[in-house]
Amino acid sequence: GQNIDQPTEMTATEGAIVQINCTYQTSGFNGLFWYQQHAGEAPTFLSYNVLDGLEEKGRFSSFLSRSKGYSYLLLKELQMKDSASYLCAVMDSNYQLIWGAGTKLIIKP
Amino acid sequence: SQTIHQWPATLVQPVGSPLSLECTVEGTSNPNLYWYRQAAGRGLQLLFYSVGIGQISSEVPQNLSASRPQDRQFILSSKKLLLSDSGFYLCAWSEGSISGANVLTFGAGSRLTVL
Repeated sequence: GQNIDQPTEMTATEGAIVQINCTYQTSGFNGLFWYQQHAGEAPTFLSYNVLDGLEEKGRFSSFLSRSKGYSYLLLKELQMKDSASYLCAVMDSNYQLIWGAGTKLIIKP
Repeated sequence: SQTIHQWPATLVQPVGSPLSLECTVEGTSNPNLYWYRQAAGRGLQLLFYSVGIGQISSEVPQNLSASRPQDRQFILSSKKLLLSDSGFYLCAWSEGSISGANVLTFGAGSRLTVL
């Protein structure tokens, strides 16, 4: 079966750095997405990785290792508004998105 | 620019009543359209997707149905709601080409409570 694993919840301090991991087992691979979802709102796109390596976008970076079936989202200089759930999703060989359950990130002052 | 509208935002319905959620996209043509359901603590569950007018693919057998009467309109329906239909429903669109890089853009969501 296809599976996406990510931690259920993480806590970090304002101004710090946090890394949210995602491991996957899917039928084929056509890219990995990270979305941010604030409570009660819709998910919004953060990043897309299809090749190994690090993609940096301001305070957010996303890393991919296809051989290890592993990705992480790195958030720097954390702000209170970064409190949200972070969803990892993989596009399989049929171009279907497989979603993880999301990681709830709690930022403390 | 493209925008997606989804309504109603919230609704409370009795068991056995019908359901209609509507979604429209503006600023693009021939988009791929999707209906997802999100339960607490679980990943997004794809319910239906459509690559064109009248073309609906169902991912999960259930008492829900979807229709695409116009290019940029996607409707989720039920004739008789069950308690288990409660949840957060999300409409989304992506570019019509098949590509790994297709980003989903979601509507604001509809929170359904069935009592």
